[in-house]
Amino acid sequence: QKEVEQDPGPLSVPEGAIVSLNCTYSNSAFQYFMWYRQYSRKGPELLMYTYSSGNKEDGRFTAQVDKSSKYISLFIRDSQPSDSATYLCAMSEYTDKLIFGTGTRLQVFP
Amino acid sequence: KAGVTQTPRYLIKTRGQQVTLSCSPISGHRSVSWYQQTPGQGLQFLFEYFSETQRNKGNFPGRFSGRQFSNSRSEMNVSTLELGDSALYLCASSSGEYTQYFGPGTRLTVL
Repeated sequence: QKEVEQDPGPLSVPEGAIVSLNCTYSNSAFQYFMWYRQYSRKGPELLMYTYSSGNKEDGRFTAQVDKSSKYISLFIRDSQPSDSATYLCAMSEYTDKLIFGTGTRLQVFP
Repeated sequence: KAGVTQTPRYLIKTRGQQVTLSCSPISGHRSVSWYQQTPGQGLQFLFEYFSETQRNKGNFPGRFSGRQFSNSRSEMNVSTLELGDSALYLCASSSGEYTQYFGPGTRLTVL
């Protein structure tokens, strides 16, 4: 079993929809939780960063961490075709060693 | 601020050769990490350097090595290349708050 599990998708939604992306993990020592967006043939781009449990909002993006359930989520409101990309969750203990999920491919169609 | 830069962007090598990839972190960032990304395994951590010292290491064979210079620039080396080393190699830098910013990657093809 992988340390971080993420549904690979693809997830296809119409423009304007609310998108929910999720990851589960097994290592209770993880303290830092991140979401990255990766466009084709590009490097991952940091979207959201959360320490420990709780919610964090930034524009159309909301990140949630539930450490008791070992479950993290990313919500995208009012999704746009430009949001079409692969979304990667990542997490770490108190180090710079990130453990990534496999990524969920999202397609937003007009 | 300029982002993380990686050179070269593309490389084609043959089995048995060695390769050196270069990474320049964001100005002021002292931690540099390297990752391998493949369709089958996803993003996997190779190693991390901080102040010229390797601080963390992933589960890769000794053919994969790296170093960091006093200006925080980093290089990684892969010796005796195998077909399975074909991948996107990503460098990330951090200012020390456990958030990492990635470069565009070097796409290595081993023939």
